[in-house]
Amino acid sequence: AQSVAQPEDQVNVAEGNPLTVKCTYSVSGNPYLFWYVQYPNRGLQFLLKYITGDNLVKGSYGFEAEFNKSQTSFHLKKPSALVSDSALYFCAVRPADRGSTLGRLYFGRGTQLTVWP
Amino acid sequence: GAGVSQSPSNKVTEKGKDVELRCDPISGHTALYWYRQSLGQGLEFLIYFQGNSAPDKSGLPSDRFSAERTGGSVSTLTIQRTQQEDSAVYLCASSAHGRLANYGYTFGSGTRLTVV
Repeated sequence: AQSVAQPEDQVNVAEGNPLTVKCTYSVSGNPYLFWYVQYPNRGLQFLLKYITGDNLVKGSYGFEAEFNKSQTSFHLKKPSALVSDSALYFCAVRPADRGSTLGRLYFGRGTQLTVWP
Repeated sequence: GAGVSQSPSNKVTEKGKDVELRCDPISGHTALYWYRQSLGQGLEFLIYFQGNSAPDKSGLPSDRFSAERTGGSVSTLTIQRTQQEDSAVYLCASSAHGRLANYGYTFGSGTRLTVV
């Protein structure tokens, strides 16, 4: 079965400090991995993805994530947090080894990131 | 359109009434998904449409829930005899077909349903 775990419901960091939002996954075969962000009263916005290639992927707003196959992790990181980064972050996975290039994403429960001034 | 459009943005209904939620996907996107977001529950998959294929209904929580997609474009999620536990934000997303499809979904802003 496919699943995503975000072990922290909340992450709190001071502005200017590095931040990490953790994600581990379980999927049959190779994974496609995604991070989405949700601001209050808004839909989810795509941040970044891992499909293939370099394990370190860079996305919007200075965020990056590292795919670690041996640890089945895809942690989201940013070197210097901003107050405006405060939002709800979702990790998602989809099995790559399917006949169709489409299919549902499996989401984690979300991590609320709060960056204080 | 430029993005995924959902209507209404907010809906308050009385317990036992039926509701219809609408989703207009991005033009040309062949895949359409419905998810439900409840407080503290993350994103719950409901249903997935792909072109003319039979939809994946495996996430629908009960037979009170149904969805259709007309002409491969607009989708309507219908909840019959609403219950208080149906209160949630209902999110729609669409995705393009082909190798670019792996770039993920585009989400609408959601419909916040409150059953009183």
